[in-house]
This record gives sequence, C-alpha cells and structure tokens, in this order.
Amino acid sequence: DGGITQSPKYLFRKEGQNVTLSCEQNLNHDAMYWYRQDPGQGLRLIYYSQIVNDFQKGDIAEGYSVSREKKESFPLTVTSAQKNPTAFYLCASSIFSLAGLSTNEQFFGPGTRLTVL
Amino acid sequence: GENVEQHPSTLSVQEGDSAVIKCTYSDSASNYFPWYKQELGKRPQLIIDIRSNVGEKKDQRIAVTLNKTAKHFSLHITETQPEDSAVYFCAALSGGYQKVTFGTGTKLQVIP
Repeated sequence: DGGITQSPKYLFRKEGQNVTLSCEQNLNHDAMYWYRQDPGQGLRLIYYSQIVNDFQKGDIAEGYSVSREKKESFPLTVTSAQKNPTAFYLCASSIFSLAGLSTNEQFFGPGTRLTVL
Repeated sequence: GENVEQHPSTLSVQEGDSAVIKCTYSDSASNYFPWYKQELGKRPQLIIDIRSNVGEKKDQRIAVTLNKTAKHFSLHITETQPEDSAVYFCAALSGGYQKVTFGTGTKLQVIP
C-alpha cells in the first residue's frame, strides 16, 4: 500500500488528554506531511518536514506538535490545546528536490480517525 | 501564502458526459499542480499533474490545462464512468519549500 503506514486506524481520546498518531514510511522519502481532513474543507496542512530534525508549521499548527528524529518516522501529537481535534488525519510523504523540477507526488497513508469523547 | 480555490464543490453528470473542475491559485511562484482522487473510505491518490512550463497534459480520458497568466487550472474528464465517482482535489506547490496547498475538493457523482 505505497509503503506509508499510519496507526492506529481509530483513536478515541478523552478531553484534556494528549495523543500521538504514528506515521512511518519505507519509501526513502525526505519530505513528510500531516494533514487534517474535515468535511467540506479539503486537506489542511498541519506540519511538514523536508529533512530529518527540521519541520515547519503549516496552516493550522496550533494545538499540534511533531518531531522528525528519523527519516522514516513523523509522529504527530494532538495536545489538549487543540480545541476541536475530532477529525480524520492523513500523513503523506514525497521526494524532495532542491531543483524544484521533480514531481512532488505525495503518497498518503490510510489515515487515523480521531474522536474526542 | 498560497490560496487555492476550487469549484464546484459538488458535480453530478450522466455517464458518458464530460466533467470539468476548476481551480485558481494566488501565488505566482507556484510551479507544480497535481490533482488527487479520493474514493470513499480510501486515501487520496495522484491522477495527473502539470508543471508551470506546460499548458496542457492528457492521460487517456483525463486532461489538465493551466493558464499561468490567469492563475487557474482545470481538470477535464471525458466519457465519464461510474468508477469516476469520487472527491477530487486540486493543489499547488509553492516554490522551493515543497509546501502543497490543497483546494477544498469537488464531489463528483456519475449517474449510470
């Protein structure tokens, strides 16, 4: 399935708790991304990382945190500061070219559906 | 930052007819424009893409056109089939930062 996995598939959390979503890829891709998908709002970028030990905020980073200690892994933590965390979360990866000429096809994981109770 | 607008949000066509989805972008530095298809319950997958130095690209029943001056690009699906029913997302890549901004999606329904 494209070499990118997410776990768990479904996650339930009580209000006030932090939770971490896993994303792993074996495609040897440098760039990784986290998106949030809500009905009618498309894919909104939370965080992205171009190389190990570096990441950038996306459009809706508040209440989320990430780390990129290994090339293969890009976990996302949903903190208690995120006011409306119930959503479908998608992780993606792609190659990264400084020349900017190569394709930036993103390969998506199967997603994690987070529900806050 | 980049802003991508996509229209329409829903589209119903009869099987065999054509479907057109339109997107506009704001950042003139954007140079790569992919289209993704997301079937119900599945992950998005790339169906076609176009670079800023190309005006049109075709792949069987799917084509994408790009107008850099007007900052808009469109997806054209001809001879639609029921399996084309899905949500389609356009996107734009801004410069060297590898940040991809997605449109809000179009739900296409092909009626048999």
